[in-house]
Amino acid sequence: DADVTQTPRNRITKTGKRIMLECSQTKGHDRMYWYRQDPGLGLRLIYYSFDVKDINKGEISDGYSVSRQAQAKFSLSLESAIPNQTALYFCATSDPRDLKRVELFFGEGSRLTVL
Amino acid sequence: AQSVTQLGSHVSVSEGALVLLRCNYSSSVPPYLFWYVQYPNQGLQLLLKYTTGATLVKGINGFEAEFKKSETSFHLTKPSAHMSDAAEYFCAVSKETSYDKVIFGPGTSLSVIP
Repeated sequence: DADVTQTPRNRITKTGKRIMLECSQTKGHDRMYWYRQDPGLGLRLIYYSFDVKDINKGEISDGYSVSRQAQAKFSLSLESAIPNQTALYFCATSDPRDLKRVELFFGEGSRLTVL
Repeated sequence: AQSVTQLGSHVSVSEGALVLLRCNYSSSVPPYLFWYVQYPNQGLQLLLKYTTGATLVKGINGFEAEFKKSETSFHLTKPSAHMSDAAEYFCAVSKETSYDKVIFGPGTSLSVIP
């Protein structure tokens, strides 16, 4: 089983609908992130959380909200989806205690299409 | 603000040929540098990283990269391309003081021609 699991993997929705993307991890990491991937733009950080009580906006947080329900769960919500939110969304984790393993661990992505 | 540029959104090489993917960064402080690879329908995984020490870094699958501070570059190379190397490659940078606030480049799609 994957260490970082995202659901759903694919979702098609209509403009104005509320959408939630969920992420769960078994790595025991405190830090979790949501990124958005668009062709030619790489990955851009939406929100990140250093622990359950700590939520921070990233580069492109407008139109998104997050919830850190537990150390292992971090969900991303689009309150009213719009077509330019069509993208591939990635959840990632990291472990700040292990400086020898400075890296992000990614889920397999959630492809969202807003019609 | 930090930024990362990758020259060439798409690179094609023949199987067995040298792979060279270019990455330049702008950073006001010494950065941490990364290459991530994304295979089709998968998430990103770390290929290699530079934090401190030796500037030539070796990663998985025969890839390596050299940190050149004077050129603000971190180009990725592999002596001999394999068909399985076809993927999207992302260069990324973060600051030592906040290493997990990672800025990604736009990516380079590598195709390997038989």
